[in-house]
Amino acid sequence: QSALTQPASVSGSPGQSITISCTGTSSDIGVYNYVSWYQQHPGKAPKLMIYDVTNRPSGVSNRFSGSKSGNTASLTISGLQAEDEADYYCSSYTSSSTRVFGGGTKLTVL
Amino acid sequence: EVQLVESGGGLVQPGGSLRLSCAASGFTFSSYWIHWVRQAPGKGLVWVSRINTDGRSTSYADSVKGRFTISRDNAKNTLYLQMNSLRAEDTAVYYCAAVRAYYYYMDVWGKGTTVTVSS
Repeated sequence: QSALTQPASVSGSPGQSITISCTGTSSDIGVYNYVSWYQQHPGKAPKLMIYDVTNRPSGVSNRFSGSKSGNTASLTISGLQAEDEADYYCSSYTSSSTRVFGGGTKLTVL
Repeated sequence: EVQLVESGGGLVQPGGSLRLSCAASGFTFSSYWIHWVRQAPGKGLVWVSRINTDGRSTSYADSVKGRFTISRDNAKNTLYLQMNSLRAEDTAVYYCAAVRAYYYYMDVWGKGTTVTVSS
C-alpha cells in the first residue's frame, strides 16, 4: 500500500486560509468516506482534527474543515493562527481493512 | 482520563527482539480496535499493524509482516507488539492508537515509545 500524496509544505499569513490536499487511489480515498486528518506538533502525539472526510471532533475549532472529490481529500484551515503551525497528516481506510497515511505536510504560519 | 501509555522501547541490536506494551485506561478497551503507528526520526507517520476487539483478526504492513506480532489481553487492558528480527529501518517512535468498533478514525493516541535498532 503506497502512502497517500500530500504537499511537503504549505504556508500562510495569520488570518488567511490554506488548503492541504491528499491524493489516494480507488482502493482507499476514492471508494471510502473514511478519511481523517491529524495535527502533530513537534515532539507530540498526533491529534485527530477531522474524521469521516468532513466531521470535526468535539473541541476542534470550526476553522478546520474537510472535503473530498474523487481520489483527493482536502483539509482547509481558515483564519490561520500561530498555533496552527504544525505537521498535518491525512489517513484513509483501505480495501484491505488497513490504514494508509499521507507523507505529511508542514504548515508554516508566516 | 482516557489514555494510552506505551512502554517497552529501547536500544536493540539488529536481529534482536523487543516487546512493546500499550496500557489503556479511562475507556472500554475491549470495544476498540487498536493500531500501531510508527514514525522514523524526521519522517512521517506509517501504519504498522492493527487488531480487532477480541484479538482474532490482525493485519500488518508488508514491511513488518512475518517479523511483528500484535496481540491483546482485554482482561489487562493491554496491547502488545512483539518485534523480532529487528532492522535499522525499524528505528522509530511507536504509537498505539484506538479506533472505536464500527468507526474508522483514531481518536485516542498514546505519547509513543522509542525503539532504536543499532549496533
